[in-house]
Amino acid sequence: QVQLVQSGAEVKKPGASVKVSCKASGYTFINYYIHWVRQAPGQGHEWMAVIDPSRGSTAHAQNFQGRVTMTSDTSTSTVYMELSSLRSEDTALYYCARDYSGSWYSGQYFDYWGQGTLVTVSS
Amino acid sequence: DIQMTQSPSSLSASVGDRVTITCRASQSISRYLNWYQQKPGKAPKLLIYAASNLQNGVSSRFSGSGSGTDFTLTISSHQPEDFATYYCQQTYSTPLTFGGGTKVDI
Repeated sequence: QVQLVQSGAEVKKPGASVKVSCKASGYTFINYYIHWVRQAPGQGHEWMAVIDPSRGSTAHAQNFQGRVTMTSDTSTSTVYMELSSLRSEDTALYYCARDYSGSWYSGQYFDYWGQGTLVTVSS
Repeated sequence: DIQMTQSPSSLSASVGDRVTITCRASQSISRYLNWYQQKPGKAPKLLIYAASNLQNGVSSRFSGSGSGTDFTLTISSHQPEDFATYYCQQTYSTPLTFGGGTKVDI
């Protein structure tokens, strides 16, 4: 069965970086894009970025320009999302999600999600 | 960015009720609209994609309609397991954006 398993909770100080992993299983890893979505406490969902695991191509929301880096390791079927220059507003639950659509530009839909990784930014 | 506005933000329902949730986009998004259900402490679950397509394994009591700027999610006969928060998401253009959610409780 398809599973996305994320790394555990993190506590970071302002200005630090965090790297969250998302390990896929149960399907052909390189065939589906992986997106990252976060949800701050009591807030809505915010789309962050997408990666093509086979090529390493990425795209991200302008809000995260210069701060988000995504990589993929096809040998372990794992995608990584690193967020730098953390601030208190980055405290949130971070999800990875598989995009079943196969579309890079529009029409995406997320059929499987990771369990979420809580990142807390506090001095 | 395309803004997604859901209404109502919350509603009370009883088992067996017909429940309707609406989502409005700030510009036309064709039919690039998805619906998710989220329960506390859980990741979102895809219900409907491309405005009206039922995701595999999702109960047929869920249905979606609409195009352009106005969309609707309907639960034909609300069941106890349907108490949750529902979100719409536009995938017409990046950044992909979500509605603020509709919490359905007793």
